[in-house]
Amino acid sequence: QKEVEQNSGPLSVPEGAIASLNCTYSDRVSQSFFWYRQYSGKSPELIMSIYSNGDKEDGRFTAQLNKASQYVSLLIRDSQPSDSATYLCAVIARDYGQNFVFGPGTRLSVLP
Amino acid sequence: EAGVVQSPRYKIIEKKQPVAFWCNPISGHNTLYWYLQNLGQGPELLIRYENEEAVDDSQLPKDRFSAERLKGVDSTLKIQPAELGDSAVYLCASSPDLRSSYNEQFFGPGTRLTVL
Repeated sequence: QKEVEQNSGPLSVPEGAIASLNCTYSDRVSQSFFWYRQYSGKSPELIMSIYSNGDKEDGRFTAQLNKASQYVSLLIRDSQPSDSATYLCAVIARDYGQNFVFGPGTRLSVLP
Repeated sequence: EAGVVQSPRYKIIEKKQPVAFWCNPISGHNTLYWYLQNLGQGPELLIRYENEEAVDDSQLPKDRFSAERLKGVDSTLKIQPAELGDSAVYLCASSPDLRSSYNEQFFGPGTRLTVL
C-alpha cells in the first residue's frame, strides 16, 4: 500500500457544485496534513493545512480529517472554472523520516 | 515577503552534460527540500536540509546527483552526468522548522529540465 493515495480522476463537476476530493494515508501516527493546488505547468501552492480531527474551513474550502479512518478530504463549495487544477494531498509521515509524502494528485475539472 | 526563488526556470541540455539548479528559501526558513516531479505524479523527495545539515538524502542518486547548502541559506543541486531519464521538474521548497507543530511547506516555481 502506498503511503498516500488519491483518486487520480479526472473529477468533473459543473460550475457552482461542490467538489469533493479524498485522500487516505497509511501512517497511523501522522499528525500533519496538507492540500496543495497545482495548475498545469506551475508549482504546488498550499491551500489548506489541518492537524486535528474535524473540519477546518477557509473561504470556499473545507478540509476534513478523520485520523481513526486515516482519511482526509477537501471540499470546494461553489466550484469555479478557475478551480480546475490538480489537487495534491500531503502528509508528514513518521515512517518516512518525518518527511512530507505526497499523493499522486487528483485532477479536477470544473465545467462552465 | 518574498517566496522561494529558483533558477533557472528552464534548462535544456544534452545527455552526459552537467547541470546545476539554485534555490533561495523563504527568509527564516531552516528546512529546505529538493523534490523531483514527473508528469502526472506528486513531488518525490530527493534531499532535506535542516540548516546546513543534510538530514535525509536517502532518495538522492548519489552516483550522479549532489547537493549543498553551505551557509544554511541557499542551496544548489547538481547532476553530473545527466541522463535522459532525468528530464523532470525539480522543485525546491522550504518550511520554518520541522520540529514546529504547525510546519507548512512552500514551493518555488521549479526548474523544468529537458535532457536530449
